[in-house]
Amino acid sequence: NAGVTQTPKFQVLKTGQSMTLQCAQDMNHNSMYWYRQDPGMGLRLIYYSASEGTTDKGEVPNGYNVSRLNKREFSLRLESAAPSQTSVYFCASSDQGGGNTIYFGEGSWLTVV
Amino acid sequence: GENVEQHPSTLSVQEGDSAVIKCTYSDSASNYFPWYKQELGKRPQLIIDIRSNVGEKKDQRIAVTLNKTAKHFSLHITETQPEDSAVYFCAASIKGNTPLVFGKGTRLSVIA
Repeated sequence: NAGVTQTPKFQVLKTGQSMTLQCAQDMNHNSMYWYRQDPGMGLRLIYYSASEGTTDKGEVPNGYNVSRLNKREFSLRLESAAPSQTSVYFCASSDQGGGNTIYFGEGSWLTVV
Repeated sequence: GENVEQHPSTLSVQEGDSAVIKCTYSDSASNYFPWYKQELGKRPQLIIDIRSNVGEKKDQRIAVTLNKTAKHFSLHITETQPEDSAVYFCAASIKGNTPLVFGKGTRLSVIA
């Protein structure tokens, strides 16, 4: 049972490049999330998907897009990377939304130069 | 929306002493309050949670208390050990509706 799997683990991008972070969960969870973690800022929600077919903005959505491809997969896309998007990105999932335990992936370390 | 404040941002204790981390939240409708522990370079992992119908919950050396009237909840770690050194996050949400909102974290250092 892998839980939440996200790729890539490490990535260096040049300013203006695009990339997609992939995330998949095998726990049959309805809800999936993308958070970013910056020093001293905690975990901030970028986008979430309460259920298959729906997506909603979180606290810091600017510069990102998401796709809930199916129940298992939720991807995060940076269309034109900026140095301010240098961060650690965590994908997560939960059974029925915010009132249940969320499980995090191992994180993706992204550096934009 | 919900806002979660967490204090202190850093905490150093001697091994064997107790550690207390406090959080306040803004939305009185919030009713689920988990705590996550994140070791260096690792993912956050749930260590304990509490729901609004419970005032206190314990799990071995860890306890969480909730005061709904004052809108604050706290994490208590007794008999701290070096392996308790990590960043701890509190969070709050309205069950079944909104995603978790996290505090900014507390870096706990247990000094041997």
